[in-house]
Amino acid sequence: ETGVTQSPTHLIKTRGQQVTLRCSSQSGHNTVSWYQQALGQGPQFIFQYYREEENGRGNFPPRFSGLQFPNYSSELNVNALELDDSALYLCASSSETGLYQETQYFGPGTRLLVL
Amino acid sequence: GNSVTQMEGPVTLSEEAFLTINCTYTATGYPSLFWYVQYPGEGLQLLLKATKADDKGSNKGFEATYRKETTSFHLEKGSVQVSDSAVYFCALRTNTGNQFYFGTGTSLTVIP
Repeated sequence: ETGVTQSPTHLIKTRGQQVTLRCSSQSGHNTVSWYQQALGQGPQFIFQYYREEENGRGNFPPRFSGLQFPNYSSELNVNALELDDSALYLCASSSETGLYQETQYFGPGTRLLVL
Repeated sequence: GNSVTQMEGPVTLSEEAFLTINCTYTATGYPSLFWYVQYPGEGLQLLLKATKADDKGSNKGFEATYRKETTSFHLEKGSVQVSDSAVYFCALRTNTGNQFYFGTGTSLTVIP
C-alpha cells in the first residue's frame, strides 16, 4: 500500500509569486484535504476535494485554489504569495462514501518559505 | 463553533514516567475524536481514535477515552520512552462536516 506523497519537500518563493504544490493520495482513497500548518500551530483546514470537485472550504481567501485529477491526485495553488503564507502545507487523503468519512492519512508536507 | 483545546507545552518527562496530555473540545453534533503525532520533520500520523462516547482508543501503549460528559479526550501512557518524543495533536471531526479541527499541539520530550 502506497502512502500519501507530496512534492516538493521544500520551496522558497518571493512575495507576489505563485506556487503549485502536489499531492498523490493513498491507494484506494478518493478524497484529498489540504491544511496549512504555521510554525508552532495546529493544521488549519484549507479545502477538500472529492471526485474532482471542491467539497468544503475553510477560512482561506480565493487566491488559495486547488484541483483534483481523475487519479485522485491533487494540486494546491496559491497566487500573490504573502509573507504569512510561509508554513508547512499538508495533504491528507481518505476514503469518502458519501455517508461517512474515514480517517485522514497525512503526507509529510511541503515547507514553503516566502521572502 | 467547533474547536479543540490542548494543554500547553512543552512537556518534559523522564523515561518510564506517566504521561497525560489534556484535550477538551467544543463541537456541534456528535464528533469523532483523534490523536495524531508528529515526529520532527515529518507529517502527522494517526495515533488513535474514538468515534462515540465512552469508546477507548489505544495504540502503542497510548490510550484515550471519549468522555461526552466532560467533553474531553485526554491522552495517557503509563511509561514513556525516549522514542515518544514528538508533538501530539488532538483533533475532532463532526458527523455533519468533512474537515478536521486540530488543537495547537503539545510538544513532549522524554529524557533518558
